[in-house]
Amino acid sequence: KAGVTQTPRYLIKTRGQQVTLSCSPISGHRSVSWYQQTPGQGLQFLFEYFSETQRNKGNFPGRFSGRQFSNSRSEMNVSTLELGDSALYLCASRVGEDGYTFGSGTRLTVV
Amino acid sequence: DQQVKQNSPSLSVQEGRISILNCDYTNSMFDYFLWYKKYPAEGPTFLISISSIKDKNEDGRFTVFLNKSAKHLSLHIVPSQPGDSAVYFCAAHLTYKYIFGTGTRLKVLA
Repeated sequence: KAGVTQTPRYLIKTRGQQVTLSCSPISGHRSVSWYQQTPGQGLQFLFEYFSETQRNKGNFPGRFSGRQFSNSRSEMNVSTLELGDSALYLCASRVGEDGYTFGSGTRLTVV
Repeated sequence: DQQVKQNSPSLSVQEGRISILNCDYTNSMFDYFLWYKKYPAEGPTFLISISSIKDKNEDGRFTVFLNKSAKHLSLHIVPSQPGDSAVYFCAAHLTYKYIFGTGTRLKVLA
């Protein structure tokens, strides 16, 4: 079966702009989580959605937001981009409390 | 506040020998631990897990040990192979999310 699909794979944006990242989970997976990976910081939890509801949120500013649609696809939005937002953004889906299946990520570069 | 720590950023091991990757945590409420492996330009892939009620789990060349009193878990890879060269993350589960360590880069030398 198809894995977790993230689009786009690479993105370059200018400071102050906003960006939307997309994630399609594995079919049947209703839980979608987003993580930010930066060098030296590991994977930092952004938020998790389940059945279109945000179930948990990490310690990121309000510029980071997300949503989930009825088909479980999820989007993440970052507004007023800062240089420090440059990172690999990973989406993961799962069934129940099992471990995640990750997508390949979106590499965002803010210049 | 880093609740899950991997204090060794990198590790080099000779092919065929044992690789031991370590992870420390601070929250005794974590109920489930996992190890992920990550190659460049790919998302992390699940490797092995362990419930907090166990102290060992084995899967082929990979064994995870959990010492709850020390709040420490380790991943043993025996024998190590060049294809094991990757970044390894440990993760701990707590209420709808996993908290990841910062990763250890393993290099297996041929």
